[in-house]
Amino acid sequence: EDQVTQSPEALRLQEGESSSLNCSYTVSGLRGLFWYRQDPGKGPEFLFTLYSAGEEKEKERLKATLTKKESFLHITAPKPEDSATYLCAPIDRGSTLGRLYFGRGTQLTVWP
Amino acid sequence: DVKVTQSSRYLVKRTGEKVFLECVQDMDHENMFWYRQDPGLGLRLIYFSYDVKMKEKGDIPEGYSVSREKKERFSLILESASTNQTSMYLCASRGQGYEQYFGPGTRLTVT
Repeated sequence: EDQVTQSPEALRLQEGESSSLNCSYTVSGLRGLFWYRQDPGKGPEFLFTLYSAGEEKEKERLKATLTKKESFLHITAPKPEDSATYLCAPIDRGSTLGRLYFGRGTQLTVWP
Repeated sequence: DVKVTQSSRYLVKRTGEKVFLECVQDMDHENMFWYRQDPGLGLRLIYFSYDVKMKEKGDIPEGYSVSREKKERFSLILESASTNQTSMYLCASRGQGYEQYFGPGTRLTVT
């Protein structure tokens, strides 16, 4: 059973059209949740860590939020250069070795 | 900035060959990871290491082995490459806050 589900699988936005990506998780106790951006043919790039419900982190046009069961990545007025696959990964509080469980990602395309 | 490097960006090998993929990190991290990434399947953990000479199997260790002789270097070994091991291979190391930093990836093709 998947511990992490990301939706939608793919999202197409016009430049300037704001939207949100969802990451829902089922770990028993959350130590933290990570968001990554991955460009085609490259390794994932670390964006944010969220540790507790209610926490928010921002970076340029991206804002990540966290509740007890899900996280959202809000994209405000996106630009074509925001096109990428966005991955989330929670880490269980019981994990002492740092293993992450990645979602399959949302592929975002922003067209001019 | 954390830097994780991988020995090759692209690699083409023949079926049955022994393949070595190397990963080096420069942040003195204790934990390192090897994943493979395939379309529709996402990132899957092959092996990870939490100290020199220490390793743990991930979800798909069959057909692979690893070596960690020095803290900064973690190697993935395909004992006898097969066509179903054609994939993107990604190495990562773990920071203090449990976040992982990834290398650029190695696109391996087995023919």
